[in-house]
Amino acid sequence: NAGVTQTPKFQVLKTGQSMTLQCAQDMNHNSMYWYRQDPGMGLRLIYYSASEGTTDKGEVPNGYNVSRLNKREFSLRLESAAPSQTSVYFCASTEGGKPQHFGDGTRLSIL
Amino acid sequence: DAKTTQPPSMDCAEGRAANLPCNHSTISGNEYVYWYRQIHSQGPQYIIHGLKNNETNEMASLIITEDRKSSTLILPHATLRDTAVYYCIVRRDSWGKLQFGAGTQVVVTP
Repeated sequence: NAGVTQTPKFQVLKTGQSMTLQCAQDMNHNSMYWYRQDPGMGLRLIYYSASEGTTDKGEVPNGYNVSRLNKREFSLRLESAAPSQTSVYFCASTEGGKPQHFGDGTRLSIL
Repeated sequence: DAKTTQPPSMDCAEGRAANLPCNHSTISGNEYVYWYRQIHSQGPQYIIHGLKNNETNEMASLIITEDRKSSTLILPHATLRDTAVYYCIVRRDSWGKLQFGAGTQVVVTP
């Protein structure tokens, strides 16, 4: 049982570079989420997708875009990376009424 | 969603019960109490949730006061692998965004 799979696990970027973080779930969940976690802090919601074909902004959406490619996959894109986006990024998924399942995160450093 | 207050840290001896408090004095009647934990470098892990009644599963027990303004997560026999940050979250359902606070850093010592 893979659950929620995130790739890559680690990435170092230079300021201004772009990249896409991938997330896939195999639990047939409708809802998917992207969070970021800065050192010593709780998770903050970036974007979420309540169902395939829909996306909505969370608390901290600036500098990010998302794509709900299909029911399984939800990607997060940084168009022009900034040092302030250095963080650990977590993807999660759920189905109505059930707890969220999280991936193990992508550790992103921007120099 | 109601705001929660948790102590920033607590220690627990291995093999003993760990009792983690959470205050949620502004909780609404249709809001659930959820507990997640995050072991270092891993994604958050669901532990348990409840509405009014006490709940128990293979990981923990959840005790909710009668007025629902506070709750306690109980790890009955703490092990070293229970060292983690524990988050208490209040919301109407689990399929919306989760509002994570700072949580309680629990350190289980031998």
